[in-house]
Amino acid sequence: DTAVSQTPKYLVTQMGNDKSIKCEQNLGHDTMYWYKQDSKKFLKIMFSYNNKELIINETVPNRFSPKSPDKAHLNLHINSLELGDSAVYFCASSQDGGFSPRRLETQYFGPGTRLLVL
Amino acid sequence: GDSVTQMEGPVTLSEEAFLTINCTYTATGYPSLFWYVQYPGEGLQLLLKATKADDKGSNKGFEATYRKETTSFHLEKGSVQVSDSAVYFCALRDNQGGKLIFGQGTELSVKP
Repeated sequence: DTAVSQTPKYLVTQMGNDKSIKCEQNLGHDTMYWYKQDSKKFLKIMFSYNNKELIINETVPNRFSPKSPDKAHLNLHINSLELGDSAVYFCASSQDGGFSPRRLETQYFGPGTRLLVL
Repeated sequence: GDSVTQMEGPVTLSEEAFLTINCTYTATGYPSLFWYVQYPGEGLQLLLKATKADDKGSNKGFEATYRKETTSFHLEKGSVQVSDSAVYFCALRDNQGGKLIFGQGTELSVKP
């Protein structure tokens, strides 16, 4: 059973296109995240949702729009793709929102979506 | 803001060698500290974690101790195997928003 799954695994597309990446977790977690890993392997948070509510929005271009239809899903839609968007995008989830401080909770990652913009 | 710094890679070792990957952090609060591992072509897996000063996290022969006085969380393994070849990420998580802040990753290559 895959805990955090992402689709598609690979995505090759042209500049200017619009694309979506989907993420689902079956861990019953309250919080989900999107991270971007660049070509040098550096990982940075993009967004975080807790119970469908946006709680983290780093300085990400407006072309990126996360959507959380329910707490088990967090999708990422990207408009007008640019060459610099080429990266690996990781979804993650954690069980936050309880009495335990957030910092104690582990984040579990999906397998990643490798996006290549030509 | 909070940050994590890891030793530069790549690190190349022979099988059964001793491994140390240095990690230091800067944080205003009391973060938890994590090591994640990324095998080639895969996602990130939690390797170990420590949530307070002097805690030691351990898993699969790897261990790291949360040192508040030196703001460090160095990863060690006594005898590496070829299957340990991967990229290792040190990270911290505090209570502000709950995001993970990663170091730049250290690539480890173990030769037979």
